[in-house]
Amino acid sequence: QKEVEQNSGPLSVPEGAIASLNCTYSDRGSQSFFWYRQYSGKSPELIMFIYSNGDKEDGRFTAQLNKASQYVSLLIRDSQPSDSATYLCAVLWAAGNKLTFGGGTRVLVKP
Amino acid sequence: EPEVTQTPSHQVTQMGQEVILRCVPISNHLYFYWYRQILGQKVEFLVSFYNNEISEKSEIFDDQFSVERPDGSNFTLKIRSTKLEDSAMYFCASDGGAEAFFGQGTRLTVV
Repeated sequence: QKEVEQNSGPLSVPEGAIASLNCTYSDRGSQSFFWYRQYSGKSPELIMFIYSNGDKEDGRFTAQLNKASQYVSLLIRDSQPSDSATYLCAVLWAAGNKLTFGGGTRVLVKP
Repeated sequence: EPEVTQTPSHQVTQMGQEVILRCVPISNHLYFYWYRQILGQKVEFLVSFYNNEISEKSEIFDDQFSVERPDGSNFTLKIRSTKLEDSAMYFCASDGGAEAFFGQGTRLTVV
């Protein structure tokens, strides 16, 4: 069974600080990794994706992928109260084209 | 900006009734999906659709469920004989080969 695991949180972060979120996955036969943001009662909103080892930056967000250790992380710099949401990690496996989601990490940014 | 559109936003139905959830994917996207999220739980894959046929389906997607692309724009999920445990947010998604974008969801409540 291919699994994606995240700490459920909440991760409490002061405004302006860096939020660091982690995600581990169970299978090395993975292809791409996605971070989505989900506000309560809303749909997942794509933040960014990564498929190569290393870092990928997009604005205040940086995704980091380490395939050997089977984890992917998301850094949110200069956190804002509007970043308060649940962050979902999703993995696209090499076989098939479906996303498998983790349970999400709830982030609270306090002014 | 192109977006995935879902209707209705909220549907209440009696147990045993049939419901049809509708989606208009992003035009020129070729891959379509249905996911669901039971309150407080992970986003779960239901089915993927490509080239006018199902390409993959989960164990959840049994004979109670069916998908159809009746014309060039709509993509529907039919749930026959609804059960209480079918109550969830249902998300349609589409992708053009890279990342999946989600619609705003349909909240299905079975009473």
